[in-house]
Amino acid sequence: TQLLEQSPQFLSIQEGENLTVYCNSSSVFSSLQWYRQEPGEGPVLLVTVVTGGEVKKLKRLTFQFGDARKDSSLHITAAQPGDTGLYLCAGTNSGGSNYKLTFGKGTLLTVNP
Amino acid sequence: DAGVIQSPRHEVTEMGQEVTLRCKPISGHNSLFWYRQTMMRGLELLIYFNNNVPIDDSGMPEDRFSAKMPNASFSTLKIQPSEPRDSAVYFCASSLGGHTDTQYFGPGTRLTVL
Repeated sequence: TQLLEQSPQFLSIQEGENLTVYCNSSSVFSSLQWYRQEPGEGPVLLVTVVTGGEVKKLKRLTFQFGDARKDSSLHITAAQPGDTGLYLCAGTNSGGSNYKLTFGKGTLLTVNP
Repeated sequence: DAGVIQSPRHEVTEMGQEVTLRCKPISGHNSLFWYRQTMMRGLELLIYFNNNVPIDDSGMPEDRFSAKMPNASFSTLKIQPSEPRDSAVYFCASSLGGHTDTQYFGPGTRLTVL
C-alpha cells in the first residue's frame, strides 16, 4: 500500500509569514496533486506536477515535485487569512489504475490576521 | 455552472438504520468516485464508476456498503445496517474520464451514526 505522509499536521502562523508544507512517500508516483479544502466543502485542485524536479507557481504558492517523484513541497509566500484551509497532497500511478488518488492526511493551515 | 451536488449535507441516524447518500455528477462527466474522509484515515476511495459501470470497488469496506449508478446523472451510496464507525464525511467526485482529468468534488455529506 502506498502512503503519503504530510507534515506538519497543523500549522498556525501570522499574516505575512512564509511557510512550507511537505508531502513524502517511499513510493514513486507518476504525478502528484495538491488540493485545498475549506471547512464544509470538498477538496479543490490547485496544481498537478508530473515531472521529477518540476516547479509550478500559482500566485504566492510554489509547488515542487522531487527529482525521484517520491516527495513534494508547497511553499506559500506572505500568507493571508484566505489561505487558511486543509492542504492535501495526492499521488497517482501510471497504468490501469491511474484514476486512483492516494491522499495524504493533510496539513491544516491557519493564517491569523 | 452547477458543480457536483450531494444530498443530504448532513445525516444523523441510529445504529442499524439504512442510510442512502445521493450524488449528481457534473453534466457530461463520465467518471464518478465515492470517497470517505475521517480524521484517522484521511480521504479514501470507496468506489469508481466509468460510464455508469463500477470499475473498482476494492475500497468498499464491507458488504454493508453498496453503490449504484443507474444513469449518467445519478449515483447512490447505501449503508445497511449502519454502525457508529461509519461516521465520516462522504464525498462524491466526477471527472470527464481521461486518465489525467481533474476530479471535481462535491460538498460532502457528514454522516453521524449514533
